[in-house]
Amino acid sequence: AQSVTQLGSHVSVSEGALVLLRCNYSSSVPPYLFWYVQYPNQGLQLLLKYTSAATLVKGINGFEAEFKKSETSFHLTKPSAHMSDAAEYFCAVSDPNTGNQFYFGTGTSLTVIP
Amino acid sequence: EPEVTQTPSHQVTQMGQEVILRCVPISNHLYFYWYRQILGQKVEFLVSFYNNEISEKSEIFDDQFSVERPDGSNFTLKIRSTKLEDSAMYFCARGRGGASGELFFGEGSRLTVL
Repeated sequence: AQSVTQLGSHVSVSEGALVLLRCNYSSSVPPYLFWYVQYPNQGLQLLLKYTSAATLVKGINGFEAEFKKSETSFHLTKPSAHMSDAAEYFCAVSDPNTGNQFYFGTGTSLTVIP
Repeated sequence: EPEVTQTPSHQVTQMGQEVILRCVPISNHLYFYWYRQILGQKVEFLVSFYNNEISEKSEIFDDQFSVERPDGSNFTLKIRSTKLEDSAMYFCARGRGGASGELFFGEGSRLTVL
């Protein structure tokens, strides 16, 4: 069965500092992994996805994530936080057998301190 | 611009009442999904819908829930007799199908059951 675990329900960083949001996955087969962002009162927006091509995936708004099979991780990073990055971030893994179900983590709320 | 439009944005209802949540995709895709997010919890899969039929559903999606696409455009989620624990944000999503295909979410419908 597929699942993801997001370590840290709340992360605070200073504006301009590195953003690191952690996600570890569990999958019996090579996974497809996703990061979504949810701004207040909005839906889930895709940041980036890993689908077994390059292990370093670049997304929108300067975010990137690296797939590390040995660590079963897919951590999200951004070199320099901006105030507009404050949001809820969700890691997700899809079911490779059916593709119908996405399994989401519990989310990490990012606060950016000016 | 959201990929799908959901209505209502917020609905308050009494326990035992029927609720219909609506979703209108911007583009003409065949795969649709409903997810829900209880406050402070994970985003959970409810059901997937392909070619006007349910293709997969979770254990959450019991007999109180139903989905349909009555006019080939709107995609609805009906809860026949709401319970307090149905209070959640409900997200509609569209997709292309397949494990590597991302989902595009609407802004959600917040349901409050009193």
